Amino acid sequence: GAVVSQHPSRVICKSGTSVKIECRSLDFQATTMFWYRQFPKQSLMLMATSNEGSKATYEQGVEKDKFLINHASLTLSTLTVTSAHPEDSSFYICSARETGAYYGYTFGSGTRLTVV
Amino acid sequence: GENVEQHPSTLSVQEGDSAVIKCTYSDSASNYFPWYKQELGKRPQLIIDIRSNVGEKKDQRIAVTLNKTAKHFSLHITETQPEDSAVYFCAASSAAGNKLTFGGGTRVLVKP
Repeated sequence: GAVVSQHPSRVICKSGTSVKIECRSLDFQATTMFWYRQFPKQSLMLMATSNEGSKATYEQGVEKDKFLINHASLTLSTLTVTSAHPEDSSFYICSARETGAYYGYTFGSGTRLTVV
Repeated sequence: GENVEQHPSTLSVQEGDSAVIKCTYSDSASNYFPWYKQELGKRPQLIIDIRSNVGEKKDQRIAVTLNKTAKHFSLHITETQPEDSAVYFCAASSAAGNKLTFGGGTRVLVKP
């Protein structure tokens, strides 16, 4: 079945630094990828929709200059948390939808970000 | 945009009993409704989904029903087992943009 690889699984960074998270579809092409953030005991909140070769679409309230998304190829999307602060500590999960497929969302394994 | 509400937020059942989780959605254009099971620190796992042209779907102990008119859908788990303990999320996908909007989640505890 479809597999999405997400790295790193855990990262601890210092306040003020940047962190890059990679989401890669291993056996399918994904024109569209989605980035979610999940705080403890809460639901998955969509941050942005990433489209290959174009700018990401951010949800209301998500700072596009802080959460940089790049989807340079059909198999790779990256999320960079810039100038991270402790309040950015969360579980970040990507999801990919296969090109041409309307249904079926494959999730990455998630990245636990801790900012100290 | 789409808004998905999920109830209850917590559910405790005795092993062998049934569990029912209900969700409502706001966007009448939504036509895909998946359910996910998430264990602590793990990715959501799709357990069942339903499309708007179907009213009910069943897979062994799990079933989902959809009422398009009322804009609500439900997850039914029968003969619950301790390994069913997890957080369950409903979601809806609208035709425009195809992004998934999640409900708030239900923490299910199955007591042996």
